[in-house]
Amino acid sequence: DVKVTQSSRYLVKRTGEKVFLECVQDMDHENMFWYRQDPGLGLRLIYFSYDVKMKEKGDIPEGYSVSREKKERFSLILESASTNQTSMYLCASSFRRGQGIGYTFGSGTRLTVV
Amino acid sequence: AQSVTQPDIHITVSEGASLELRCNYSYGATPYLFWYVQSPGQGLQLLLKYFSGDTLVQGIKGFEAEFKRSQSSFNLRKPSVHWSDAAEYFCAVTSGTYKYIFGTGTRLKVLA
Repeated sequence: DVKVTQSSRYLVKRTGEKVFLECVQDMDHENMFWYRQDPGLGLRLIYFSYDVKMKEKGDIPEGYSVSREKKERFSLILESASTNQTSMYLCASSFRRGQGIGYTFGSGTRLTVV
Repeated sequence: AQSVTQPDIHITVSEGASLELRCNYSYGATPYLFWYVQSPGQGLQLLLKYFSGDTLVQGIKGFEAEFKRSQSSFNLRKPSVHWSDAAEYFCAVTSGTYKYIFGTGTRLKVLA
């Protein structure tokens, strides 16, 4: 079964800490995405990568950065965590030419910043 | 501007009853349309998709959706709801690029 694996289900971090959220996919997908999900706001795209070392900003990139050194791994970095970054973070992947196929999502990481 | 609207934040139905979840979109081009389901504490799972052909599409778990271009709608239906269908449902649209636009979700509660 194809999978997108997020390294942590739950994280609690302190304000100002540097936080790494890891995502690995085993489907040889070119595209990988990071979304955050908040009640009443749905899913909002933070960053997107369409190839190794390539990235594009989504709708809400402020306060975040990403890294894609290998095709299967896409990391989201909170340089200095703040309480307003408390949220559910979802990683997803897709084939580059498979926009009509849909995404495969990971199970999510619920991050609490205290 | 491109948008997806799910007008119902919460819906409650009795087990065995029929279900319809609404989705309206605003998109200039011919859209690709999706429905995803999210069980508590989980990621999103693809239920079904539409991008051409027959406007009534069948998905997993007994769900179906109908694309109505004239109404800019893509409503999700199920004839008989099971308790395990309790979850949050998201409609999404893309023009064929990488960028999807998601609705804000409809949370379904099923009464025994």
